[in-house]
Amino acid sequence: DIQMTQSPSTLSASVGDRVSITCRASQSISTWLAWYQQKPGKAPKLLIYKASSLESGVPSRFSGSGSGTEFTLTISSLQPDDFAMYYCQQYNSYSETFGQGTKVEV
Amino acid sequence: QVRLVESGGGVVQPGRSLRLSCAASGFIFSNYAIHWVRQAPGKGLEWLALISSDGSNQYCADSAKGRFTISRDNSKNTLYLQMNSLTAEDTAMYHCGRVRHSSGVMGAFDLWGQGTMVTVSS
Repeated sequence: DIQMTQSPSTLSASVGDRVSITCRASQSISTWLAWYQQKPGKAPKLLIYKASSLESGVPSRFSGSGSGTEFTLTISSLQPDDFAMYYCQQYNSYSETFGQGTKVEV
Repeated sequence: QVRLVESGGGVVQPGRSLRLSCAASGFIFSNYAIHWVRQAPGKGLEWLALISSDGSNQYCADSAKGRFTISRDNSKNTLYLQMNSLTAEDTAMYHCGRVRHSSGVMGAFDLWGQGTMVTVSS
């Protein structure tokens, strides 16, 4: 199975900050990568698919980049609603693995 | 309203079985591959299984192989997960998710259900 490693595990930031989360794959996954946001007690919400495509309805302050084995989710100006868990997911192979998650906190 | 609604969770003893359901509405269910994902309390997301839009292809994670079976009934717009020989490690919230592109088996999940909780305990 392809392993996905996110860093950092926890990110402390303030409203207005530019923040970035990294996801590394154990082997190349081209651009078959998604990013999700999850809040407590809620289902994950798709933010980015195919590494850099913004899902409809998602604010433009979210962006994704990367290919191969290294990927980044960037929030250009952190808003109060953005404090949450973030997960990457690869869908290059049938076993679609997730990263372990990054908590963005105050 | 486009949505997925899971049901069938509950408290079950170790070694017993449970069948989860995921009911779809608001979209053409038979056009989309659907996956199961679970999340143990306080833990991350774990992919479990997928099934193609017509049900002809299924694939399970190693943690589910031999114990879990994914299936669907397109006439009822419903996805299932049959879980056998349950252990405490299967305690989790179970979500179904729709693949974003109707033409694909794998992909990002643009629609998720709220989940159904399974607790395995004696």
